[in-house]
Amino acid sequence: DADVTQTPRNRITKTGKRIMLECSQTKGHDRMYWYRQDPGLGLRLIYYSFDVKDINKGEISDGYSVSRQAQAKFSLSLESAIPNQTALYFCATSPGQGREETQYFGPGTRLLVL
Amino acid sequence: AQSVTQLDSHVSVSEGTPVLLRCNYSSSYSPSLFWYVQHPNKGLQLLLKYTSAATLVKGINGFEAEFKKSETSFHLTKPSAHMSDAAEYFCVVSDQNAGGTSYGKLTFGQGTILTVHP
Repeated sequence: DADVTQTPRNRITKTGKRIMLECSQTKGHDRMYWYRQDPGLGLRLIYYSFDVKDINKGEISDGYSVSRQAQAKFSLSLESAIPNQTALYFCATSPGQGREETQYFGPGTRLLVL
Repeated sequence: AQSVTQLDSHVSVSEGTPVLLRCNYSSSYSPSLFWYVQHPNKGLQLLLKYTSAATLVKGINGFEAEFKKSETSFHLTKPSAHMSDAAEYFCVVSDQNAGGTSYGKLTFGQGTILTVHP
């Protein structure tokens, strides 16, 4: 079974709709992250959470919100989707200890906003 | 502030020839550096990482990278390309504070698409 799972894997929605992307992990990690990937831009950080009570904005948080429901769950919401939010979204986790900050990525959610 | 520049957006090689993917970085203190690979329609897989131990780092599938502080580089190499190496590769930096504790935030390069010809 995958350690980091994302649902849905693919989603098509219309402009103005609210949509939630979910991420769950069984790695027992404290830290969780949401990124978006656009061609030629690599991955850019949207939000991150170092524990259940800690939420931080990344470099491109406008138009997004998050909820850390539990250590294992971190959801990303688009309150009113717009076409330029069409992208591949990745969730990641890391243990949050010392220098071993390898991040482990989910399989991604491909979102199309019409 | 940290940043990463991958010097080539596309690299094309023939099967059996060497691979070189170039990466330069900037960071405030001693960074951790990573290479991730993304095969078509797949998630990201860690190839290798540097965290201030040996400067030559060996990863999976025959890849290795050398950390050169004087050149602020972390180039990825493989002696002999295989068709299955065709993918997009990302160089990534994670900054640390003066005490060596990671901030936990990664900065990604723009990616290099590797094409391998028969």
